Amino acid sequence: GAGVSQSPSNKVTEKGKDVELRCDPISGHTALYWYRQSLGQGLEFLIYFQGNSAPDKSGLPSDRFSAERTGGSVSTLTIQRTQQEDSAVYLCASSLGPWAVAYEQYFGPGTRLTVT
Amino acid sequence: KQEVTQIPAALSVPEGENLVLNCSFTDSAIYNLQWFRQDPGKGLTSLLLIQSSQREQTSGRLNASLDKSSGRSTLYIAASQPGDSATYLCAVEETSGSRLTFGEGTQLTVNP
Repeated sequence: GAGVSQSPSNKVTEKGKDVELRCDPISGHTALYWYRQSLGQGLEFLIYFQGNSAPDKSGLPSDRFSAERTGGSVSTLTIQRTQQEDSAVYLCASSLGPWAVAYEQYFGPGTRLTVT
Repeated sequence: KQEVTQIPAALSVPEGENLVLNCSFTDSAIYNLQWFRQDPGKGLTSLLLIQSSQREQTSGRLNASLDKSSGRSTLYIAASQPGDSATYLCAVEETSGSRLTFGEGTQLTVNP
């Protein structure tokens, strides 16, 4: 079956512009996660969705970052007024949900964002 | 705050060698631990997941162990191959359905 997909795969934007990154989780996965991987930094958590709700958004680095999920499926991560420090690979993951006995997080290929 | 450390940061071995990658975490109250592989410019591929009640998991040439009380996990790769070259990441999940906290990774190179 299809895995987690993300679009675009690459995005180059000018400083100050807004960008939207999209994630399509695996069908039937109720949990969805956004992470960021910066050069020289590890993978850091941004936000977690269960269904359309975000019980944990504590990893969002500033109020320029927001995310939503609709229909319990597709999620969009929006970065407003991008800064050069936002340059990173943004990874999305999905899993069956917290009631599963053991569930893995499956990752998409990522969106590489470059802010010039 | 949970911290995950992986040692070594980089490892280069000849083909055929058995090797061990180490992962330690500071808070032993975890729900599960997951090992991933990341190839350059790619996303993460899940290798093994160990629930907190388990001691080890095996998949092919890979074996992962978990000692929750001491905050340690190891990933054992048998008979390494050049295709195993990648960055290996371990991550812990502290409660059901929550975020993963990742280590910095071990960059493995297997030389033909």
